[in-house]
Amino acid sequence: EAGVAQSPRYKIIEKRQSVAFWCNPISGHATLYWYQQILGQGPKLLIQFQNNGVVDDSQLPKDRFSAERLKGVDSTLKIQPAKLEDSAVYLCASSLGSGISSYNEQFFGPGTRLTVL
Amino acid sequence: AQKVTQAQTEISVVEKEDVTLDCVYETRDTTYYLFWYKQPPSGELVFLIRRNSFDEQNEISGRYSWNFQKSTSSFNFTITASQVVDSAVYFCALSEGYNQGGKLIFGQGTELSVKP
Repeated sequence: EAGVAQSPRYKIIEKRQSVAFWCNPISGHATLYWYQQILGQGPKLLIQFQNNGVVDDSQLPKDRFSAERLKGVDSTLKIQPAKLEDSAVYLCASSLGSGISSYNEQFFGPGTRLTVL
Repeated sequence: AQKVTQAQTEISVVEKEDVTLDCVYETRDTTYYLFWYKQPPSGELVFLIRRNSFDEQNEISGRYSWNFQKSTSSFNFTITASQVVDSAVYFCALSEGYNQGGKLIFGQGTELSVKP
């Protein structure tokens, strides 16, 4: 079974530029997450989708970050314009989705390492 | 508010030593899940274990064991006879409520270095 795919793996941009990351979750997974991991810290949830609807985006800096999940499959995360403090690894994860009978594990992709100069 | 604390930032041991990674959590929910993830230098997060709040049984998987104590809000992870391949950053995480597939709240991580 293929895992969560992310691209690009690395990106270097200058501040005030725009950047976009792409995530392809595991086939059949209804829930998709974007986490931000700043160096030396644990990942922090930015946004959670259930199919193509947003479940939680309370920690997404909406003035510069946006995310979409068209058709409930792939997702893109965009930063416009980027700031120095956005330098981090952006992790995408997916799970089967909400269910009462059992917990659905989150599977993580390899991440995109963003450096803002 | 929910919070996960991993007080040990870095631990260095010599191969074959036992090592325990500490995790303390805070939550107001009575139903929650606790996790441990491993993050090797490649960067991908690897799931190690999940525990729900109603199951306080300790668990052993090979050289790994976990001690869950609700009375002290702790979920500690022990590696027995450590190996160089265990070198990684280890994260403890919490997911609240019965919202299956809910967001994970991570601790700061403990960087484990196992020297030959």
